[in-house]
Amino acid sequence: DSGVTQTPKHLITATGQRVTLRCSPRSGDLSVYWYQQSLDQGLQFLIQYYNGEERAKGNILERFSAQQFPDLHSELNLSSLELGDSALYFCASNILDNEQFFGPGTRLTVL
Amino acid sequence: ILNVEQSPQSLHVQEGDSTNFTCSFPSSNFYALHWYRWETAKSPEALFVMTLNGDEKKKGRISATLNTKEGYSYLYIKGSQPEDSATYLCAQERNTDKLIFGTGTRLQVFP
Repeated sequence: DSGVTQTPKHLITATGQRVTLRCSPRSGDLSVYWYQQSLDQGLQFLIQYYNGEERAKGNILERFSAQQFPDLHSELNLSSLELGDSALYFCASNILDNEQFFGPGTRLTVL
Repeated sequence: ILNVEQSPQSLHVQEGDSTNFTCSFPSSNFYALHWYRWETAKSPEALFVMTLNGDEKKKGRISATLNTKEGYSYLYIKGSQPEDSATYLCAQERNTDKLIFGTGTRLQVFP
């Protein structure tokens, strides 16, 4: 158990819908990262927050957004969902400049 | 190379065999090289973070080396065991501390 929690574990929704994925980092970690794992693709970095502020951005679609709250938990919002958004979404946390600790992931299925 | 590349894509070995995999990455904008172990139905777990050219790290039967000038890292497993079966991911941390992952080497160790 890495200490990073993600909810929900599974999510099934329809195209055009909007969902919110939630992540609670390890106690003491200020940095939260979001990754997407699609079929046959490696882990793709989406976005990083550090202590409430956006720090780095990867290949995140405009339909996706994220935020980190004062209690350091983070939410990833995915809107106007398409079939291709079906993937495993991981959150990771760390103290800056250190190994990242991954949560168990949320498996999103868009039908 | 622009991307992080890993080889081989998959590997099947007998219990007791030693094995190694390669991670190749662009040598520019290098900050750190991470190795992760990812078991099926679990989340990636950090093995090593290496930053200096010539770094060597060891954890039990697993070790890794780093050559930042030529842009490669090797992961070695001595005396493979069935419980070593997993996907081994490497990720390059560039100067913005976001990780660029390779697609992994899937190791299967047969008893």
